[in-house]
Amino acid sequence: AQSVTQLDSQVPVFEEAPVELRCNYSSSVSVYLFWYVQYPNQGLQLLLKYLSGSTLVKGINGFEAEFNKSQTSFHLRKPSVHISDTAEYFCAVSAHNNAGNMLTFGGGTRLMVKP
Amino acid sequence: DAGVIQSPRHEVTEMGQEVTLRCKPISGHDYLFWYRQTMMRGLELLIYFNNNVPIDDSGMPEDRFSAKMPNASFSTLKIQPSEPRDSAVYFCASRITSGIGDEQFFGPGTRLTVL
Repeated sequence: AQSVTQLDSQVPVFEEAPVELRCNYSSSVSVYLFWYVQYPNQGLQLLLKYLSGSTLVKGINGFEAEFNKSQTSFHLRKPSVHISDTAEYFCAVSAHNNAGNMLTFGGGTRLMVKP
Repeated sequence: DAGVIQSPRHEVTEMGQEVTLRCKPISGHDYLFWYRQTMMRGLELLIYFNNNVPIDDSGMPEDRFSAKMPNASFSTLKIQPSEPRDSAVYFCASRITSGIGDEQFFGPGTRLTVL
């Protein structure tokens, strides 16, 4: 079984400041890693994913994340946030043996960008 | 494409009533997922289908919950009888098998309130 911990439930930040949203996972098998974003009253949409290869992955809207196997982390970063980035962000994992079907989500981090 | 369509968007019902949530996946997608989102438990996978066949229903909370997919373009999640603790946002998602870890596309969700 897998578990995902998002250490910060809320992250307030000023517009144009950098931000890092933290994600740690636990798994006895190799996993794929994902970040999804949920805007108010909408479903989730994929920001980026790590399947294999380079540990630094780039996603949509200027976000990137780095996979660190030794620390079992997959932190999400953006060098300069906009008001429109205000949303809830979910880290998720899926074991290799189910091809990314069964996603286990973290509790979410609410990013609040202030002017 | 219209994306994943869910109906109704909001449902308010009384304890003991039957509730049916509906989902139309993106045309051509062969996987369909049902999730539940609550403040206490976060986002949980309830069940998923591949080519209309249920593959894993280990997340279905109890026998009061049932899901069907009679054809490739329609799925239902039924709760009978409903209880106040079933109040949550229920999401449907779909994906196509084109590779490992491909994106799940989420619908806007159905917000269920059981009084």
